[in-house]
Amino acid sequence: TQLLEQSPQFLSIQEGENLTVYCNSSSVFSSLQWYRQEPGEGPVLLVTVVTGGEVKKLKRLTFQFGDARKDSSLHITAAQPGDTGLYLCAGVNYGGSQGNLIFGKGTKLSVKP
Amino acid sequence: GAVVSQHPSWVICKSGTSVKIECRSLDFQATTMFWYRQFPKQSLMLMATSNEGSKATYEQGVEKDKFLINHASLTLSTLTVTSAHPEDSSFYICSAERGAGYEQYFGPGTRLTVT
Repeated sequence: TQLLEQSPQFLSIQEGENLTVYCNSSSVFSSLQWYRQEPGEGPVLLVTVVTGGEVKKLKRLTFQFGDARKDSSLHITAAQPGDTGLYLCAGVNYGGSQGNLIFGKGTKLSVKP
Repeated sequence: GAVVSQHPSWVICKSGTSVKIECRSLDFQATTMFWYRQFPKQSLMLMATSNEGSKATYEQGVEKDKFLINHASLTLSTLTVTSAHPEDSSFYICSAERGAGYEQYFGPGTRLTVT
């Protein structure tokens, strides 16, 4: 069974601080996605990383895919209250005719003004 | 971006009744849709994969006779929770796969409360 471990599970910081969320697995994934989910809503895709070692930037968010495609990190610079939410990583592994997403348990981020 | 809608956004029903949840891809065709369940403060758990024109594939431990899935067109999949019980109360989220790629677009979810 493929598992994705996310850490930390909870994170409460002040506005302006930097933070990093980690997503680790012992399995190799074809690609990895990061989502942000707000209470009562569905997840919204932030980014997909495909190549080992790939780094993608989305404004103040930096996503990195590990060289071995087993892990990923999300770094937020100068966090703002609007960044508050549940961040989920999801591994993609095509097996058979279609791909399924394997979700981590999520990191609940709270940014206080 | 791709838009996926769900209806209803929330529903309260009595124990023993059935509830149907719709998932629509509004601006693209989706041959594959997925149904997830999310308990409070937990991550998404895949329940089943819905393929247009064929039977759904259920994950281990998910009762196919209790959670009926119908993917009748390329833009609509429905999940019917039959004979609902309080333990079925949860947040149900669908997603649609756009084209043959791996990106899924999620609906806003449906909050089901069974009393």
